[in-house]
Amino acid sequence: QVQLVQSGAEVKQPGSSVKVSCKSSGDTFTNYAFSWVRQAPGQGLEWMGGIIPVFDSASYAHRLEDRVTITTDRSTTTVYMELRSLTSTDTALYYCAAEVGNDFNHPFDYWGQGTLVSVSS
Amino acid sequence: EIVLTQSPGTLSLSPGERATLSCRASRLFDSRYLAWYQQKSGRAPRLLIYGTSTRATGIPDRFSGSGSGTDFTLTISRLEPEDFAVYYCQQYGSSEYSFGQGTKLEVK
Repeated sequence: QVQLVQSGAEVKQPGSSVKVSCKSSGDTFTNYAFSWVRQAPGQGLEWMGGIIPVFDSASYAHRLEDRVTITTDRSTTTVYMELRSLTSTDTALYYCAAEVGNDFNHPFDYWGQGTLVSVSS
Repeated sequence: EIVLTQSPGTLSLSPGERATLSCRASRLFDSRYLAWYQQKSGRAPRLLIYGTSTRATGIPDRFSGSGSGTDFTLTISRLEPEDFAVYYCQQYGSSEYSFGQGTKLEVK
């Protein structure tokens, strides 16, 4: 099984960008696909996008695809999520999640602890 | 995008009672790709059910899932105190995953 440890909380100004990391350990990195899921305060879960490290192939939610980029560093087994042009509505807890398999279409067996991103002037 | 609508928004029950949570999809999709998650306050979601009806590792058998087409159900046969939480359905069969808005299961 895999353990996911995310980077710490961020406070950002409107219009700026944020890059959150998710370090994977405990199993072969390329055996998994990874996604980012966010949760605004008091709200539900929103899938943002995912990536398959073995192919370096990413897929994004249509409503975010012009602002989000998900990448990996296989040398450090880390997944990154960058979100640009931040507004207050991007204030949320951001989770990385892993699905077993080097393709999509699996449930999220593993989750990181979450990273709080606050956007405020 | 497949939109998932969960009902009810809030369900108030007592320990020992049976809970039935619904998830309806905006269009047909393969039931192999429907999951349910439990989320407790301040914690990451936990996978309960995948493939509509298969329990994840370590999930007690009081949790069961059913459904097909556009209508799916999570049933908790006899509520334990630790089951009061928020539950989300998720489809992971299309190129864009989606979650329902959640059902809060609270103590009556």
